[in-house]
This record gives sequence, structure tokens and C-alpha cells, in this order.
Amino acid sequence: GAVVSQHPSWVICKSGTSVKIECRSLDFQATTMFWYRQFPKQSLMLMATSNEGSKATYEQGVEKDKFLINHASLTLSTLTVTSAHPEDSSFYICSASKPGLDTGELFFGEGSRLTVL
Amino acid sequence: GQNIDQPTEMTATEGAIVQINCTYQTSGFNGLFWYQQHAGEAPTFLSYNVLDGLEEKGRFSSFLSRSKGYSYLLLKELQMKDSASYLCAVMDSNYQLIWGAGTKLIIKP
Repeated sequence: GAVVSQHPSWVICKSGTSVKIECRSLDFQATTMFWYRQFPKQSLMLMATSNEGSKATYEQGVEKDKFLINHASLTLSTLTVTSAHPEDSSFYICSASKPGLDTGELFFGEGSRLTVL
Repeated sequence: GQNIDQPTEMTATEGAIVQINCTYQTSGFNGLFWYQQHAGEAPTFLSYNVLDGLEEKGRFSSFLSRSKGYSYLLLKELQMKDSASYLCAVMDSNYQLIWGAGTKLIIKP
């Protein structure tokens, strides 16, 4: 299999502060990573596609200035929630596909639960 | 628009069999995935179908009919640990994953 690790698992912050979430592919190089948000009892919502060495592609309705994505290396992508507000509280999950795998299966990080007070 | 439909919730008994259906309407098709997601955890891959027919993997099987835009996930010999949400996702012509809202499966003793 392939391992994707996400950190931190839980984070609580005050309104107005920024939070950074890291996503690492531990045993493979991921040129593309995906960031999702999931509200309780809802499905995964793709926020953006993170491309190594270039700008992320954001989905419609996702503020690129609020959700900063950096994919500086083939094994690390970061999501920074800037000036977080209570409505940003959610479960954020990253994923990556392993190059060469026919199925296109996604490997997910453990997820990061953000609570903004 | 693109759409994935699956039941919101299902209940089954331990040891029994349950079938979770998924219908889809997408712009193009490059495969259908089933993922399992326990509460508060990230999804884990269960199956991938790109050709019509049944794919069996242990207690879990997945079926696809591209002409009908239909798939199902079949879970046999249900165990309490199978209580989870099951997500159906379709990869469209742009290789984008379109996610269903998930089916919450409740297993009763």
C-alpha cells in the first residue's frame, strides 16, 4: 500500500488566527495531492488540487486567499487556513494517488479536525 | 450536472448480507470507487470497478453496470465493525472524483 500522513490530527484555535495542516506521502512521491473538507454527516467536498511546484487549482467557491496551499516538494503539501472563523471548523482531509497504480486509488491522510473558537 | 445517489442510511443484522446501491450521472466515466469511512476517520479504499461485472474481494463485492449508471456494494457475513459510512465515487472524463454523500450502515446484533 501507500501511506499518507497528516498532521495535526486535532487543532483548536482562536478566531482570527491561522492554522497550518501538513500532508505527507511517506513512501511514494506524489506530484498531485487533494484537499477535502467534510462537515458532519456530509460527503467529502474537494477544495483544491495541489500540484508540486505550481499553484493549486481551487474548486469553485473556495477562497484561495483564505485557504493557502503550498506543495513545495513531492512528499509534502500544506494547507493554511488564514484568519480562521468558527464556520471554518470542519474535518480537513488530504489524499494522494500513487503514480503507476492503474486503479487511480486515493490514499487518504488521517484527517485534521479543526475547531475555531 | 453531475450526480451520485446512494441511500442515506441502512440498517442490517450481524451475520447477514446487505447491498448498498449507487446510481450516477456524470460527464464521462473512468471508474467507480467504493470507500469505507468510520466516524471521525479518513476514508479507506474498498474497491474499484471500470468494467461491467462483479469484483469480489473477501466479504465485500462490488458490481458495475455502465449502461445503467449503477453500482452496488455487497457486504456478506456482516460484523459489528462494518458499521460505517460507505462512499461511492465516480471518476469523470476529466479524471475528477465525484463523491456521493455516503450511506451510513448500522449493524445490529
